[in-house]
Amino acid sequence: DAGVIQSPRHEVTEMGQEVTLRCKPISGHDYLFWYRQTMMRGLELLIYFNNNVPIDDSGMPEDRFSAKMPNASFSTLKIQPSEPRDSAVYFCASSLGQYNNEQFFGPGTRLTVL
Amino acid sequence: KNQVEQSPQSLIILEGKNCTLQCNYTVSPFSNLRWYKQDTGRGPVSLTIMTFSENTKSNGRYTATLDADTKQSSLHITASQLSDSASYICVVLLSGGYNKLIFGAGTRLAVHP
Repeated sequence: DAGVIQSPRHEVTEMGQEVTLRCKPISGHDYLFWYRQTMMRGLELLIYFNNNVPIDDSGMPEDRFSAKMPNASFSTLKIQPSEPRDSAVYFCASSLGQYNNEQFFGPGTRLTVL
Repeated sequence: KNQVEQSPQSLIILEGKNCTLQCNYTVSPFSNLRWYKQDTGRGPVSLTIMTFSENTKSNGRYTATLDADTKQSSLHITASQLSDSASYICVVLLSGGYNKLIFGAGTRLAVHP
């Protein structure tokens, strides 16, 4: 398996623009997680899905952030409008079975908002 | 307040030496504790997952210990290699229906030749 795939790997955009990050989980995994990592705050869980259904989005910072999982092999994290403080590395991870099983992380998307 | 604290923040050791990283947590109720290794520019990779009933778990040259009574964990790296240079993140799963992961800030380890 190719592991968790994320695109793009790097994104540079201007404040106010819409940003869409994409994730393909490992085939067969039924949990998908979106994380954000910054130097100041470390890793933070934004939202997670089970069988394509959002279970906990309490980590989503504000209404500018939204996430969808239209099918078992694809998820998006959208920021609209983007702000400079959204600059971070965004990771997608997936796991098989229960929430407390091992999570496999993608390579991340480095977002820079100017 | 549920927190995970790691020490030291950063560490430099010489290749071949051993080192121990610390993790203290105040998370309750506790489900399990994980150690992740994160190389620069890459996503975290799981090293170990330990439940409260496990005292020690090994993964090659990495050995994690857990004392659920004192709420402390350590990650011991034996005979360090240059490839061990990375950030090591301690993560605790909050149970009781919350299913939340509480992350430590990580320890940045540099192994020098």
